[in-house]
Amino acid sequence: DAGVTQSPTHLIKTRGQQVTLRCSPKSGHDTVSWYQQALGQGPQFIFQYYEEEERQRGNFPDRFSGHQFPNYSSELNVNALLLGDSALYLCASSTGDHWGYTFGSGTRLTVV
Amino acid sequence: GEDVEQSLFLSVREGDSSVINCTYTDSSSTYLYWYKQEPGAGLQLLTYIFSNMDMKQDQRLTVLLNKKDKHLSLRIADTQTGDSAIYFCAVIPPNRSNDYKLSFGAGTTVTVRA
Repeated sequence: DAGVTQSPTHLIKTRGQQVTLRCSPKSGHDTVSWYQQALGQGPQFIFQYYEEEERQRGNFPDRFSGHQFPNYSSELNVNALLLGDSALYLCASSTGDHWGYTFGSGTRLTVV
Repeated sequence: GEDVEQSLFLSVREGDSSVINCTYTDSSSTYLYWYKQEPGAGLQLLTYIFSNMDMKQDQRLTVLLNKKDKHLSLRIADTQTGDSAIYFCAVIPPNRSNDYKLSFGAGTTVTVRA
């Protein structure tokens, strides 16, 4: 049974560009959350998608947007990339309640 | 929002016990987790405890929760070199709230020396 799958694993982008990260949740999970982990810090909540809607959003600018598809997979889009957006982006899936989060291995984004 | 604090570093000799501590601010937090992160990897759920419990043991891992002091600890018995990693404490609000986000500490880097 596959866990949470994220793609790509690594990405290098230039300032000002746009990026799309993808996440496939664990089988049986219908909720996807995205977290940003800067170097040396704990993960910070970006937003959560449930039933194809953004259910909750953290303290991130509108440059960060997302989408959830009918098969529960999700995308994270970041526009107008800044150097400070360089981080590990983690996707977590769950069954919609407050417990049982499974994390993927992350996408390492480097903005140059 | 929830604040979660951890000590940043812990060095332990192989075979000894490790104790990692965490404090949090929201007394209504109902689910408390310990995650492990190895270099270049994602987060692996190690164990969890519900707020109506004081202790949970799972093989080499023991979680202690002091709700009064809002203090959570993780004890790893017989620490091995494979336990070298960053350990994150994370908490989440109760089900009745509309807050679904995990709040993480900054992580404790555990180094196991021979």
